[in-house]
Amino acid sequence: SAVISQKPSRDICQRGTSLTIQCQVDSQVTMMFWYRQQPGQSLTLIATANQGSEATYESGFVIDKFPISRPNLTFSTLTVSNMSPEDSSIYLCSVDGGWQETQYFGPGTRLLVL
Amino acid sequence: GENVEQHPSTLSVQEGDSAVIKCTYSDSASNYFPWYKQELGKGPQLIIDIRSNVGEKKDQRIAVTLNKTAKHFSLHITETQPEDSAVYFCAAIEPAAGNKLTFGGGTRVLVKP
Repeated sequence: SAVISQKPSRDICQRGTSLTIQCQVDSQVTMMFWYRQQPGQSLTLIATANQGSEATYESGFVIDKFPISRPNLTFSTLTVSNMSPEDSSIYLCSVDGGWQETQYFGPGTRLLVL
Repeated sequence: GENVEQHPSTLSVQEGDSAVIKCTYSDSASNYFPWYKQELGKGPQLIIDIRSNVGEKKDQRIAVTLNKTAKHFSLHITETQPEDSAVYFCAAIEPAAGNKLTFGGGTRVLVKP
């Protein structure tokens, strides 16, 4: 399985600011995904990031709030813009495992917005 | 789109007993069903998965069963140990939605020594 790292692992931010989360994988992957996990809740897909194309956002998530970059096959970033306390969550990236359709997750970024 | 429901939301078992978590899904086209374990402060870890052409799969103390007709699948953990305490998530993949994973609500399992 792929080894995935995320930076930062956690952060405390002031409302109105933005934070960029990085996701690095140790092998080339076609699809990378960004999820939000609110406290005590399940995982909700924010968007799918494919290299060389615009990210595909799920209902309720917009590019202005969560811009995503995918410059190559091993790296992606998610920015949480103009943060409010409601953005306090764990943000997780995952990658597809190829033909087996399995997704492997990174350790997550724990964000607290004051 | 796909909807996955998971029960129970919390489960407390005595060490050595079995734990069963059940999930139902709505899209009959879904064909891949992974289970993830999430420990405190960590990302979800894939523990077992099953495809729609298989009725049961086992890996040591963990097994998953799938009933395509009824559209439900279950996770069985036997001989539970304290290290099995975690939150477990079931999921189903939507082939028509670019292999999007839809997750159940999660089950918090506590194994009491």
